[in-house]
Amino acid sequence: QLQQSGPRLLKPSQTLSLTCAISGDSVSSNAWNWIRQSPSRGLEWLGRTYYKSKWYYNYAGSVKSRITINPDTSKNQFSLQLNSVTPDDTAVYYCARGVILTGLDCWGQGTLVTVSS
Amino acid sequence: DIVMTQSPDSLAVSLGGRATINCRSSQSVLFSSDNKNYLGWYQQKPGQPPKLLIYSASTRESGVPDRFSGSGSGTDFTLTISGLQAEDVAVYYCQQYYSAPWTFGQGTNVEIK
Repeated sequence: QLQQSGPRLLKPSQTLSLTCAISGDSVSSNAWNWIRQSPSRGLEWLGRTYYKSKWYYNYAGSVKSRITINPDTSKNQFSLQLNSVTPDDTAVYYCARGVILTGLDCWGQGTLVTVSS
Repeated sequence: DIVMTQSPDSLAVSLGGRATINCRSSQSVLFSSDNKNYLGWYQQKPGQPPKLLIYSASTRESGVPDRFSGSGSGTDFTLTISGLQAEDVAVYYCQQYYSAPWTFGQGTNVEIK
């Protein structure tokens, strides 16, 4: 199970920060993803982190210069940071577990983040 | 990036009828080392996150009714709902997890005729 938390209203240029708490699995197993959804962009995968002897990170090109995904093994959770947001970043943000061969098999409840001055 | 294109954008089917949704990828998502297609199908209802229905193009996720089936390989895939139920009204998405960035189709809205 995945439980999301974080602020829902931001002003342009601020930093979006969301956390996804994991229960029933370990952040050191499988891949942990962030996806967003908006009417203009549809479902957009933002990035993931996974552990395989060391931590790996993959990010979408559209946000690569602004995004950081961090695992937190002490709290068994992972986070999303997106810098310098604009109204175009307004979307529902989801965290999701990615399993080899299976795809995204478990999703958080979603967080509507609105960027507005 | 692999582009996923679904057709049609919208579909109206009678209760008990068959819904067929197509998905095409801009390059093959068949992984030669394990001969599996890295392609999933998701169902999304209003106000809910997407739910995984099918993975590896044709394997039903646990608990998914057998009226949902997936087929295809390489670049062309199909999701079929046989015997449409009222609770199947939703938007359906295909997604490739063959290579990052993982990408989704634009969605197909299924409704009752």
